[in-house]
Amino acid sequence: DGGITQSPKYLFRKEGQNVTLSCEQNLNHDAMYWYRQDPGQGLRLIYYSQIVNDFQKGDIAEGYSVSREKKESFPLTVTSAQKNPTAFYLCASSLSQTQYFGPGTRLLVL
Amino acid sequence: QKEVEQNSGPLSVPEGAIASLNCTYSDRGSQSFFWYRQYSGKSPELIMFIYSNGDKEDGRFTAQLNKASQYVSLLIRDSQPSDSATYLCAVNAGNQFYFGTGTSLTVIP
Repeated sequence: DGGITQSPKYLFRKEGQNVTLSCEQNLNHDAMYWYRQDPGQGLRLIYYSQIVNDFQKGDIAEGYSVSREKKESFPLTVTSAQKNPTAFYLCASSLSQTQYFGPGTRLLVL
Repeated sequence: QKEVEQNSGPLSVPEGAIASLNCTYSDRGSQSFFWYRQYSGKSPELIMFIYSNGDKEDGRFTAQLNKASQYVSLLIRDSQPSDSATYLCAVNAGNQFYFGTGTSLTVIP
């Protein structure tokens, strides 16, 4: 069953804590992306990766970090430097010019 | 700055009517165009894509592209209450995708 999976569905972060959001795809897509969505707003690009071991910053990379050690996996770490992390985080992958999304992770701050 | 503009709505149509959603984009180098449907609390779902000028039909959905006017639209025929959602317009330029803020559609039974 092909697709993009994200875990966890909900994540709670304490003050000063780093948290990691998982994104896995078995679609054999080369490119993967992380977006943030705030209520009533569009999608903002955090990071993207076109190939393994390479990634580029998007519009709002500050306070976030990523790795791309495997084609199937593109985890996102929300660091303590991100002062307003509460949002809906969406992972996507693309083949050619078409992009597909995972189910998302909702991050809340305690 | 690559921009994608959508009327945020909300747009309300009666069941069975045609819903028309519009989108303009700023980058003339944009190559492909997408419509996503997003239900409240869920992730965006791809419903249509179009690469060439003209119309593309898929069931009750028709996407229309006019590159000269930098305009793309989505028509939903025979609208159903299950079509009530936010519709995101997206364009691809190079390695990135750019999204509008979405149009909220409500189909009234």
